[in-house]
Amino acid sequence: SQQGEEDPQALSIQEGENATMNCSYKTSINNLQWYRQNSGRGLVHLILIRSNEREKHSGRLRVTLDTSKKSSSLLITASRAADTASYFCATVGGAAGNKLTFGGGTRVLVKP
Amino acid sequence: DAMVIQNPRYQVTQFGKPVTLSCSQTLNHNVMYWYQQKSSQAPKLLFHYYDKDFNNEADTPDNFQSRRPNTSFCFLDIRSPGLGDAAMYLCATRGGSGSLNEQFFGPGTRLTVL
Repeated sequence: SQQGEEDPQALSIQEGENATMNCSYKTSINNLQWYRQNSGRGLVHLILIRSNEREKHSGRLRVTLDTSKKSSSLLITASRAADTASYFCATVGGAAGNKLTFGGGTRVLVKP
Repeated sequence: DAMVIQNPRYQVTQFGKPVTLSCSQTLNHNVMYWYQQKSSQAPKLLFHYYDKDFNNEADTPDNFQSRRPNTSFCFLDIRSPGLGDAAMYLCATRGGSGSLNEQFFGPGTRLTVL
């Protein structure tokens, strides 16, 4: 079952702008992961943040985790047209054990 | 390059006609997953193998079966596809015994049921 909700469901920005999307979840977790999915393709792992971490960076990506609020955010800085994709958060832990439990996803359109 | 391969990329079948989707991996990962993803929705886990141990999700219909003859290959069998089974089917792998490992996804097989 889907644990998380993502906000917004869709996001349209101009190239060069920043894109921020949020993920909320319901139960305790071991870690939270973000994946990207280009249209009609499989998912690609972007970044993993552990439950005892608050912030993590990878290139133009910045992820935060607030376990007290059960929420995470993904920031893509200086977006490019190639960043157009759906972005999913997924949690690991709690009742689901080692399985990924996905949020509903945010569709991001970066206009050139 | 080590990877997860799914064949075919597109599969068309008729209502009620059995179909098999395949997944292979060169990562030597011990865990393999099958997900169903319908349009504009999150992937939904159907089942997974931890080595040879099969783990079915409680809400996966009996119409869906899986086989894993060896570490590298895993198959998804849909015994009697219905129109509602049209979806993207994603295979993924995970290595290691911990929960901190990412999953590696194949490109998916898009199934159409006529």
